Amino acid sequence: DAKTTQPPSMDCAEGRAANLPCNHSTISGNEYVYWYRQIHSQGPQYIIHGLKNNETNEMASLIITEDRKSSTLILPHATLRDTAVYYCIVVGEYGNKLVFGAGTILRVKS
Amino acid sequence: GAVVSQHPSWVICKSGTSVKIECRSLDFQATTMFWYRQFPKQSLMLMATSNEGSKATYEQGVEKDKFLINHASLTLSTLTVTSAHPEDSSFYICSATSPLVGGIHEQYFGPGTRLTVT
Repeated sequence: DAKTTQPPSMDCAEGRAANLPCNHSTISGNEYVYWYRQIHSQGPQYIIHGLKNNETNEMASLIITEDRKSSTLILPHATLRDTAVYYCIVVGEYGNKLVFGAGTILRVKS
Repeated sequence: GAVVSQHPSWVICKSGTSVKIECRSLDFQATTMFWYRQFPKQSLMLMATSNEGSKATYEQGVEKDKFLINHASLTLSTLTVTSAHPEDSSFYICSATSPLVGGIHEQYFGPGTRLTVT
C-alpha cells in the first residue's frame, strides 16, 4: 500500500473550516484513500473514504486531486470536539489492513 | 450501529501474570477482527488479524505465543497477554469489519483497554 505524508500538526479556529492535507504520490489505481481520527485515549473513528471522486458525508468532505497524488479532508465547521489526531491511510482494493502513520494533530481553538 | 466494545477498559496486573482482553461487536457479525497496540505518543501498530474459526495472522515481530488471540465467534475475539512484563504496558485496541457493514476497509474500533503491568 502506498505511503502517506501528513503535516504533524495544525490549528483551526472554532467554527472555521479545517483543511487537512495528505500526500500519497505513489498511490496506484486500485487503492483507496481512507480517513480516520482518534480522539485522545479513545479508539479511532472512521470518517470518510474515496477512490477518484470527491466524497461528502455528514462528517466531512474528501477532495482528491485529479492525479490522485494528494487529497484534502475538510471539516466544514470545526468544533472543539474535532480536536484529534487525523490519519490518512491508503489501502488496496482487496487489502484489509490499515497501516497508521503519525497522522496530523488538529487543535481546534475557541 | 456498528458498535464495538472492549472489556476491561483498564487493567493493572503484576509482572508474570496473564491478562485477557475481550472485544465484542455488539450489533453486527464481524468476519474479521484486528488487534492493535499503541504506546504513549505513538501511532497504532497492528498486532494481528483474526478471522472467526481460524488461527490469527500475526504481524512481523509480534510473538504469537505471548499474545494469544482467540476468535471463537462472529461477535467475540479475545487477546490474552501471557506472562506480562512492564514493557507490555500499553493501550490495546481492537477493531472489527464486516462486508455487510461498511465494507472490508471500514473498521469499527473499540474504546481500547489500557494495560499497566507493575
